[in-house]
Amino acid sequence: EDKVVQSPLSLVVHEGDTVTLNCSYEVTNFRSLLWYKQEKKAPTFLFMLTSSGIEKKSGRLSSILDKKELFSILNITATQTGDSAIYLCAVDCPTSGTYKYIFGTGTRLKVLA
Amino acid sequence: DGGITQSPKYLFRKEGQNVTLSCEQNLNHDAMYWYRQDPGQGLRLIYYSQIVNDFQKGDIAEGYSVSREKKESFPLTVTSAQKNPTAFYLCASSDGRDGSYEQYFGPGTRLTVT
Repeated sequence: EDKVVQSPLSLVVHEGDTVTLNCSYEVTNFRSLLWYKQEKKAPTFLFMLTSSGIEKKSGRLSSILDKKELFSILNITATQTGDSAIYLCAVDCPTSGTYKYIFGTGTRLKVLA
Repeated sequence: DGGITQSPKYLFRKEGQNVTLSCEQNLNHDAMYWYRQDPGQGLRLIYYSQIVNDFQKGDIAEGYSVSREKKESFPLTVTSAQKNPTAFYLCASSDGRDGSYEQYFGPGTRLTVT
């Protein structure tokens, strides 16, 4: 059974701290891994990773994929209160040519001022 | 502006009633999806559609039905057979062209059934 596991489930840090969120997966047909940030309603897209070892970066956020060990990490440096959100990891693992996304349960991050 | 709209934002229904959630996109995306989110759980796929007039069951399709008569629209009906319908429902779409499978999400509909 395809699955995506995120850790930790929740995290509380202070402004300025650096956090690392983990996403591991076991799927039969990996195509890409995606990170989303969900604040109040709909998730917003952060990164899509398809190749191992290539870091994607956007401001204070960065992410990297390890296809050998089947995991990805999302780093946030110099955290701010606006980073407080649920971070979702999803794996695109199509079956028989159709689309299929498996989501993790998310990591709830709270950044204290 | 291109995007996905869902309506209504909040919906209240009595047990035993069917209810239809709207999802419209003007991104010209072929694929559309319905997810359900419960507290402490990740998004779970209810139904998805890759093309007009075709749709597939996701992991938790029981008690739900969909239609895809137009590319832009993918309404979800929560039937009285769904045992725990109270949840947050998210609609998404994706293009799939040029190797991009990023999903775009609507703002969601929070359904409460009493």
